[in-house]
Amino acid sequence: DVKVTQSSRYLVKRTGEKVFLECVQDMDHENMFWYRQDPGLGLRLIYFSYDVKMKEKGDIPEGYSVSREKKERFSLILESASTNQTSMYLCASGKGYTFGSGTRLTVV
Amino acid sequence: QKEVEQNSGPLSVPEGAIASLNCTYSDRGSQSFFWYRQYSGKSPELIMSIYSNGDKEDGRFTAQLNKASQYVSLLIRDSQPSDSATYLCAVRSSNTGKLIFGQGTTLQVKP
Repeated sequence: DVKVTQSSRYLVKRTGEKVFLECVQDMDHENMFWYRQDPGLGLRLIYFSYDVKMKEKGDIPEGYSVSREKKERFSLILESASTNQTSMYLCASGKGYTFGSGTRLTVV
Repeated sequence: QKEVEQNSGPLSVPEGAIASLNCTYSDRGSQSFFWYRQYSGKSPELIMSIYSNGDKEDGRFTAQLNKASQYVSLLIRDSQPSDSATYLCAVRSSNTGKLIFGQGTTLQVKP
């Protein structure tokens, strides 16, 4: 069974902390994506990658960065967490977008 | 105009009825269309994809595509309470290749 695994289901961090969200897929997909989902705003694309060491900004990249050192792993980094980054973060991979289970991040 | 539009609902149907979920899109060059189901607190799950005009059936689900009208729909026959969820329509951009998601329609199936 294909899988996209996000390392944490729930996370609470303090304002100003550096936060790492990890995503690993076992389907040998080239495409990987990071979204955040907020009530009333839907899914918003933060960053995506079509290959190792390649990254492209999505619609809302400010305050985030990403890393893709290996094909199976795509990491989202919040350089200095802020309360407006409290959200559900979803990783997806592949052309048909298989989603991970999500990480609900709360920044206090 | 939003790129992908869905009525947010909630759409309420009785158990056993047909639920009809609709989606319109603005990109005339789009060739790939997807429906995702998202239960509350969970991540989206792909349930149907459609690429050609007409109907595509998978069990109780039927996706319908009309490219001329830029309209895609999802029919759920014999609706069950377990079908209660938010349904997201997604369209692949002919320009970027990325999926553009609608805001989703919340479906409530009442026993």
